[in-house]
Amino acid sequence: KQEVTQIPAALSVPEGENLVLNCSFTDSAIYNLQWFRQDPGKGLTSLLLIQSSQREQTSGRLNASLDKSSGRSTLYIAASQPGDSATYLCAAGGSQGNLIFGKGTKLSVKP
Amino acid sequence: GAGVSQSPSNKVTEKGKDVELRCDPISGHTALYWYRQRLGQGLEFLIYFQGNSAPDKSGLPSDRFSAERTGESVSTLTIQRTQQEDSAVYLCASGNSGTDTQYFGPGTRLTVL
Repeated sequence: KQEVTQIPAALSVPEGENLVLNCSFTDSAIYNLQWFRQDPGKGLTSLLLIQSSQREQTSGRLNASLDKSSGRSTLYIAASQPGDSATYLCAAGGSQGNLIFGKGTKLSVKP
Repeated sequence: GAGVSQSPSNKVTEKGKDVELRCDPISGHTALYWYRQRLGQGLEFLIYFQGNSAPDKSGLPSDRFSAERTGESVSTLTIQRTQQEDSAVYLCASGNSGTDTQYFGPGTRLTVL
């Protein structure tokens, strides 16, 4: 049974810092790995999707990497801004497309 | 274009009542998912529809939960004889295929008193 763990559970950084969020999964037989952000009272916004054959994806200040063999993914956020404050969720995609989510990392970027 | 919509946004019900939650996916998306997020917990997969194939119901927590989808459009999640542990935010997502990016709706917050 796939289990997804995210470390740390919460993170507070000053504006402008670069930061890394970690995600690990127990079953390397994934089809993809997705990162989402969740704002309070709102749904999830997809940030990056990495297919199982890929090693990384980039979008603006965000870069996500995937190492299937070690069961790890990282989300790198460059030059963090207060608007980046949210909960970041990592999800491992199975063969049927259903996602197994971690509990998230709550990020707070202080101005 | 329009995103995934869900209704109602909030639902308060009494224990033992039945509830229906609705999801309108993005037009043209063949895949539709239901998840729930209980307070302090991660999102749990409930059920998955892909085109006209039989749905994957492996995540439904009990036989009180059921879902239907009409073709490749609206889906309804029904919870019968609600219990307090059913209180959660129920999220719907849709996508172009089973392994494509999933786009989430805003969720329905269900509170069972």
